[in-house]
Amino acid sequence: EVQVLESGGGLVQPGGSLRLSCEASGFTFSSFGMSWVRQAPGKGLEWVSGVNSGGGSTFYADSVKGRFTVSRDNSKNTLYLQMNSLRADDTAIYYCARGIIGPDIWGQGTMVIVSS
Amino acid sequence: DVVMTQSPLSLPVTLGQPASISCRSSQSLVYSDGNTYLNWFQQRPGQSPRRLISKVSNRDSGVPDRFSGSGSGTDFTLKISRVEAEDIGVYYCMQGTHWPRTFGQGTTVEIK
Repeated sequence: EVQVLESGGGLVQPGGSLRLSCEASGFTFSSFGMSWVRQAPGKGLEWVSGVNSGGGSTFYADSVKGRFTVSRDNSKNTLYLQMNSLRADDTAIYYCARGIIGPDIWGQGTMVIVSS
Repeated sequence: DVVMTQSPLSLPVTLGQPASISCRSSQSLVYSDGNTYLNWFQQRPGQSPRRLISKVSNRDSGVPDRFSGSGSGTDFTLKISRVEAEDIGVYYCMQGTHWPRTFGQGTTVEIK
């Protein structure tokens, strides 16, 4: 079955850091760009970051540029999102999704809560 | 950034009747390869988003044919020919042409 599974969410204090992971299975991970999309409680979808299949090209929303870093390990079929200098408005469900033009496979998401 | 504007934001519908959602972009979504990377997603209550349509009008596998997408340039439409109870949820357009990618605000489809 083609799927992606996020992990690493949790409660973190403002200014803190967290690393999210997304493990892919059922498809050739190294052939696909990958995206992170978030959804604040009761709000709409916000595209956060993307990375091409090889990992050499990365892209960010203005709201996270300079604070978040996306990376991937194709040998482990895993996508990462390193989040630093977290703020209250980063609180959201973070989804990993396959593709960077029109993500077609989405995970269940992992919740990140930034609060003191 | 490309701004995606959906209307209406709330759409009360009668089961069995058609429904239509508009999505407009602040820039043309035609890419240099000639494709237009406009996607539609459905998010049912409590679920993750699901892609319905890519490249304006290409339905994903398993998506009922009552869903259709159309449009060009900066003006796009998602139509449901006859709304069923399982279609209730929030619908988003998203452009995959320009960086950063951007979503519309979402349109909530609810039963009238």
